Amino acid sequence: AQSVTQLDSHVSVSEGTPVLLRCNYSSSYSPSLFWYVQHPNKGLQLLLKYTSAATLVKGINGFEAEFKKSETSFHLTKPSAHMSDAAEYFCAPNQAGTALIFGKGTTLSVSS
Amino acid sequence: DTGVSQDPRHKITKRGQNVTFRCDPISEHNRLYWYRQTLGQGPEFLTYFQNEAQLEKSRLLSDRFSAERPKGSFSTLEIQRTEQGDSAMYLCASRDDRGLYNEQFFGPGTRLTVL
Repeated sequence: AQSVTQLDSHVSVSEGTPVLLRCNYSSSYSPSLFWYVQHPNKGLQLLLKYTSAATLVKGINGFEAEFKKSETSFHLTKPSAHMSDAAEYFCAPNQAGTALIFGKGTTLSVSS
Repeated sequence: DTGVSQDPRHKITKRGQNVTFRCDPISEHNRLYWYRQTLGQGPEFLTYFQNEAQLEKSRLLSDRFSAERPKGSFSTLEIQRTEQGDSAMYLCASRDDRGLYNEQFFGPGTRLTVL
């Protein structure tokens, strides 16, 4: 069975500073992993995905994530936060074709 | 527009009424998923279709909920005798399962408020 833990419910950063959103998963086998972003009252947009190729994955809007099997982690990072990054972020492991299992989400706040 | 669309975007209803939501997936996507998202939580899986076949239903999908995808294109989700606990955002997503790791594309959601 799969499960996912997003370690921080809320992260606050200043504009221009680095962002780290943490995600740990558990699975009996290596899943594919996704990060989605959700802006207020909007649907989810895919940021990036890990599919067992490169362990460092680059996504949209300057985000990237590193898959670490030994730590069962897939943390999301961005070198420099922008005000428009303020949103809810969800990590989701997935076995091909099945439904996504979402974490509870991390709210990212960016102050000027 | 090639994205997933949902209608309506907002629905306010009184307890006990029936409501129906529609989802139009990306045209070449054969898999369609329904999720429910309550405030402060991540989306939770409800059910999914491959073409017109409903392949899996979550335990969250009580007998008052029914979903269809009659021609393998659009889908409807009906909630009968709505309860206040049904208030949530209902999200639809579609996927092309020809790719093993293909992601799901989400619609904007239908926000249901049950008074």
